Amino acid sequence: EPEVTQTPSHQVTQMGQEVILRCVPISNHLYFYWYRQILGQKVEFLVSFYNNEISEKSEIFDDRFSVERPDGSNFTLKIRSTKLEDSAMYFCATELAGSYEQYFGPGTRLTVT
Amino acid sequence: AQTVTQSQPEMSVQEAETVTLSCTYDTSESDYYLFWYKQPPSRQMILVIRQEAYKQQNATENRFSVNFQKAAKSFSLKISDSQLGDAAMYFCAYRSASSGDKLTFGTGTRLAVRP
Repeated sequence: EPEVTQTPSHQVTQMGQEVILRCVPISNHLYFYWYRQILGQKVEFLVSFYNNEISEKSEIFDDRFSVERPDGSNFTLKIRSTKLEDSAMYFCATELAGSYEQYFGPGTRLTVT
Repeated sequence: AQTVTQSQPEMSVQEAETVTLSCTYDTSESDYYLFWYKQPPSRQMILVIRQEAYKQQNATENRFSVNFQKAAKSFSLKISDSQLGDAAMYFCAYRSASSGDKLTFGTGTRLAVRP
């Protein structure tokens, strides 16, 4: 069964550094999302992406965050000038057009020290 | 803005028994989708079941079924014949059918299964 994959599984970075989180969507899925989950809290929407454009973003997704699909397969989330409060589990989700079902990757645990 | 509420932080069920997890939501929209996701200790989010608001029939997926009460804005998940592998965090989620495609999650219910 096709799966969404994410790399790395765990990323440790120092405050102020830049990180790139990578996601490989399920083939033929055209809608992409990033969510985050701070430990012990609920999952929160960050951004949705379709046709090489951001469809919607939350207030969490400030100017330090960016997304792109650099090579037609990977979908990346970049966080510049990381802060301690960015420490969380980051989930990529992808969706087949018309299905309304989002399938999540295993997540990347980001730790900012 | 839509909100999703799960009022049961923790639930426990005996193996082979049935348990129901509650979820309520608030929306002014008439067309939307509701989902239950399971998050085991591995923390991966797994889609369990979905319900379209325009459908009166409750969704069923094997041992998992929902009780969707649109007027009451209630969407509970029933797990029958509970298994040890059902132990996880369960999140209820809302998605608009017309204004955006993001999922709005509740705070989750941690389900323990007693052998």
